[in-house]
Amino acid sequence: EAGVAQSPRYKIIEKRQSVAFWCNPISGHATLYWYQQILGQGPKLLIQFQNNGVVDDSQLPKDRFSAERLKGVDSTLKIQPAKLEDSAVYLCASSGLTYEQYFGPGTRLTVT
Amino acid sequence: DQQVKQNSPSLSVQEGRISILNCDYTNSMFDYFLWYKKYPAEGPTFLISISSIKDKNEDGRFTVFLNKSAKHLSLHIVPSQPGDSAVYFCAAKSYNTDKLIFGTGTRLQVFP
Repeated sequence: EAGVAQSPRYKIIEKRQSVAFWCNPISGHATLYWYQQILGQGPKLLIQFQNNGVVDDSQLPKDRFSAERLKGVDSTLKIQPAKLEDSAVYLCASSGLTYEQYFGPGTRLTVT
Repeated sequence: DQQVKQNSPSLSVQEGRISILNCDYTNSMFDYFLWYKKYPAEGPTFLISISSIKDKNEDGRFTVFLNKSAKHLSLHIVPSQPGDSAVYFCAAKSYNTDKLIFGTGTRLQVFP
């Protein structure tokens, strides 16, 4: 069974630029999550999708972050414009019928 | 407000001995707890979980203990192996959501 796929693995941009991350969850998993992990901290949920609907986006900075999951499968997270404090690893996870979430390798974003 | 706390940032254990990683939580609404292991440049990998209706769950070398009255859980690894060297995250969810709240992680080093 293929795991959660993410791309790119690394991205370096200047502040005020925009960036997008892509995620493809485990086949058949209805729930998809985007997390932000800042160095030295645990992952923090940004947004949760159930199929193509948003379940929880309370922690998403909506003035600059957006996410979509149009066909209920893969998802895109966008930051526009980026700030220095957005430097982090962005993790995508998916889950099926159980509470366990399965994570992708993450995208390490550096904003200079 | 840190609802899930891992107060030991690091732990060093000799190969073959027991590793004990600790986690404390403050939210009495948490009903499910998970441990994840993370290697550098990879996403977190699910390790073991426990429901709040149990006080122990075992899977091979890994055992998780839950003490609800103390709001404390621990992960025991016996015997510890060098391949166990990683960062371990404790996570918890409330009964009314799938959202995971993560601790800050404990770096385990197993030396020969």
